[in-house]
Amino acid sequence: EAAVTQSPRNKVAVTGGKVTLSCNQTNNHNNMYWYRQDTGHGLRLIHYSYGAGSTEKGDIPDGYKASRPSQENFSLILELATPSQTSVYFCASGDDWGGQDTQYFGPGTRLLVL
Amino acid sequence: GEQVEQRPPHLSVREGDSAFIICTYTDSATAYFYWYKQEPGAGLQLLMSVFSNVDRKEEQGLTVLLNKKDKRLSLNLTAAHPGDSAVYFCADSGGSNYKLTFGKGTLLTVTP
Repeated sequence: EAAVTQSPRNKVAVTGGKVTLSCNQTNNHNNMYWYRQDTGHGLRLIHYSYGAGSTEKGDIPDGYKASRPSQENFSLILELATPSQTSVYFCASGDDWGGQDTQYFGPGTRLLVL
Repeated sequence: GEQVEQRPPHLSVREGDSAFIICTYTDSATAYFYWYKQEPGAGLQLLMSVFSNVDRKEEQGLTVLLNKKDKRLSLNLTAAHPGDSAVYFCADSGGSNYKLTFGKGTLLTVTP
């Protein structure tokens, strides 16, 4: 079964609206990540978490919040969505084993902000 | 911060040929390196991880070479087949054990 799942898989939002992207992992990994993928930029890290209750800013956190209420769940929140946030968003969990953090990705959420 | 350059951005090979992708990185303290494959509409699938004390690693038709002197990581797919058509990403941990820096990807097309 898929160990990292994301919902919704597709979302259309209006400018100024609130959007919540959800991620669930059954790997029992401590670390979780949110990336966005855009043509010409590859993957860029938005927020990450070391465990329940923790969130850290990544490389491009502006306009995004994150929430990690439990080991399994990590949400990305766009309080006031803008068209520039139209992108594909990926969640990942990391196994934090042997001094490294191999990351395993979900299938992605395609977000269109009109 | 860490920078990863990946080339070529596009690569087209015939079935049975080899496909070669190169990444260069900047942080000499980088400890871990990764190759991922992304098929259309899907997430990133881990192909291989390599620790910095390894120069060469082979698994299931894939060969990863790490040249720490030149800060270069490469992926060679031997005997490519159409099912290998996808976008391939390199990534590394930079000086951190947790945050990954990704290359911009290589779109590989394997034609019959």
